[in-house]
Amino acid sequence: GENVEQHPSTLSVQEGDSAVIKCTYSDSASNYFPWYKQELGKGPQLIIDIRSNVGEKKDQRIAVTLNKTAKHFSLHITETQPEDSAVYFCAASKGSNSGYALNFGKGTSLLVTP
Amino acid sequence: GAVVSQHPSWVICKSGTSVKIECRSLDFQATTMFWYRQFPKQSLMLMATSNEGSKATYEQGVEKDKFLINHASLTLSTLTVTSAHPEDSSFYICSAAGQPSNTEAFFGQGTRLTVV
Repeated sequence: GENVEQHPSTLSVQEGDSAVIKCTYSDSASNYFPWYKQELGKGPQLIIDIRSNVGEKKDQRIAVTLNKTAKHFSLHITETQPEDSAVYFCAASKGSNSGYALNFGKGTSLLVTP
Repeated sequence: GAVVSQHPSWVICKSGTSVKIECRSLDFQATTMFWYRQFPKQSLMLMATSNEGSKATYEQGVEKDKFLINHASLTLSTLTVTSAHPEDSSFYICSAAGQPSNTEAFFGQGTRLTVV
C-alpha cells in the first residue's frame, strides 16, 4: 500500500520567516496530494492541494510543489504568522471513483514565535 | 468548501456501554464517507470506508463488530463503538466525498471519546 513519509516532525520558525515541510510517497499511482492544518482538538482543515497534472500551485502565502519523478511534494509557507502554528499533515491518494481514501503523513508540528 | 458536521464533539461514557457518533454532509451528497482514528500527537489512521447503501470496508486490524458503521443515506453516516473500553478512548474523525468523484474529501470537526 501507499506509504507517506513527512519531515520534519517539528519545526520552529520566527514570525516572518518561511517554513517548508516535505513529504514523499511510494505509490506512483497516487495522483492527489492535499495538505491539512489541524489545530488542537479540531478536525483537519484543507489548506491547499495539488493534482499530478501540475507541478506547483500557490494560494497567497501558501504554495505546494510536486515532483512526480522523485515522488515528493512540499508545502511552503511564506511570511509566517503566529496563527500559522498548528500541526500540518500531508496526504496522498489515488482518487478512485469510490472517493478519496487518504494516506496521511505523521504530521509536522509548526511553531511560529513572535 | 463543503461542510461536514460531526456530533457529538466530545463524549464520556462508562466501560461496556456503546456510543454512536454521527457524521453529516450538510450541503452535498456524500457517496463515500471515511472514518479515521487519531491518538494524541499521532497521525490519522483510516478505520473504514463506507459507500451509501453498502457495507463498510474495514482496514486491516479494525474489528467490524466493535466499530459498527452505517451509511444509510447520502448525507449521514454513523459510527457506533460497541462495548467501549478505555483503550477505545481516542479522537474519531469522519470525512465525506461527494459527486462527482473528483471532489475533495471534507472533514468533520472530530469527536473526542473518553471511556472511563
